[in-house]
Amino acid sequence: NAGVMQNPRHLVRRRGQEARLRCSPMKGHSHVYWYRQLPEEGLKFMVYLQKENIIDESGMPKERFSAEFPKEGPSILRIQQVVRGDSAAYFCASSPSGISTDTQYFGPGTRLTVL
Amino acid sequence: AQSVTQLDSHVSVSEGTPVLLRCNYSSSYSPSLFWYVQHPNKGLQLLLKYTSAATLVKGINGFEAEFKKSETSFHLTKPSAHMSDAAEYFCVVSVSSNYQLIWGAGTKLIIKP
Repeated sequence: NAGVMQNPRHLVRRRGQEARLRCSPMKGHSHVYWYRQLPEEGLKFMVYLQKENIIDESGMPKERFSAEFPKEGPSILRIQQVVRGDSAAYFCASSPSGISTDTQYFGPGTRLTVL
Repeated sequence: AQSVTQLDSHVSVSEGTPVLLRCNYSSSYSPSLFWYVQHPNKGLQLLLKYTSAATLVKGINGFEAEFKKSETSFHLTKPSAHMSDAAEYFCVVSVSSNYQLIWGAGTKLIIKP
């Protein structure tokens, strides 16, 4: 049973370009969460999605960031017109349900570098 | 509001000696508490979790943590450190009816030979 998969593992973009980060949850998991980790900090919640629905995007910046989890295929975190401050590690997690006692299983992360 | 404080940004111990990583939390509700470990350039692995059952929780790789409500603490311990334990450790809290995980800033564990 494969774990949470994220790709690419490393992504380099120039300022103003778009970044697309992909996340495939564990088999049987329909709940996906995205977190951002800035250097020397813990993770910060960004967004919570179920299939075809955004449940909570309270941690997402209001502009340039969007997320989706289509019926088929991986969840996508999209950052338009990237700036240097977007450089961070982005982690995706999945769980079988959305309750707080559920374990969230994390992928290896995508490290985004904006030049 | 919920918050997590990891009291030490770095902890250095000699191989074979005990490990103590400290964590205090603030929560208005009954919390679930987790410890995750992150090895360099790797993903996050769950070490253990507390969800209102036994207050002493045993995890993987010989780690355990004790939930102390009166002290609002959830410190992580291991009797004897191994070189492979060198990593960053995160204390995490979530609260009932809220799936969001609140993360501490992390503690880097350094193991001296």
